[in-house]
Amino acid sequence: DTGVSQNPRHKITKRGQNVTFRCDPISEHNRLYWYRQTLGQGPEFLTYFQNEAQLEKSRLLSDRFSAERPKGSFSTLEIQRTEQGDSAMYLCASSLSLAQETQYFGPGTRLLVL
Amino acid sequence: KQEVTQIPAALSVPEGENLVLNCSFTDSAIYNLQWFRQDPGKGLTSLLLIQSSQREQTSGRLNASLDKSSGRSTLYIAASQPGDSATYLCAVGGRGSTLGRLYFGRGTQLTVWP
Repeated sequence: DTGVSQNPRHKITKRGQNVTFRCDPISEHNRLYWYRQTLGQGPEFLTYFQNEAQLEKSRLLSDRFSAERPKGSFSTLEIQRTEQGDSAMYLCASSLSLAQETQYFGPGTRLLVL
Repeated sequence: KQEVTQIPAALSVPEGENLVLNCSFTDSAIYNLQWFRQDPGKGLTSLLLIQSSQREQTSGRLNASLDKSSGRSTLYIAASQPGDSATYLCAVGGRGSTLGRLYFGRGTQLTVWP
């Protein structure tokens, strides 16, 4: 399968714990995006990378959130000191280097903070 | 800030009907517009991408139009089938300082019954 993959698919954690999600983009895609989707809403942009450079971060991405993309390949999204409001589906997408290309989404990681 | 609205929020129709889903956006300075499909608990599947210079795109039974000046797009689904049941999301691509970022509507939840 050459699509975008995300791990884990589901994560249940207790409030205050740290969690890390991984995204593996389509191999030739240089741009990688993170979105968050809560129930009944459309996805909201969090951040994106061009190769290993993080080019933009949304105001939604508080200091507890950090994203990396070492070597311009896979990316990780870490949430520190999780809160119940962090419960959501975290979606990763990738596209070719040109901004007008289609963004291809992974299956998402569903986070539940108890 | 770009705001994307989708009407109707939900639609239930018998198999075989032709459907129109509507999307409107507040800022006409867009880079592109994408329509996605999302099945329950799953990631997004790209259906159609319309560049800002284009008026429409077609794929099989799907046709999407774009009227950038009026801030509107429609997704036309011909001869609907039960397998079309899903949530359909409209996303507008930003330009300038928001290039690469997608702004999503809340979606139209479609049910096609046999």
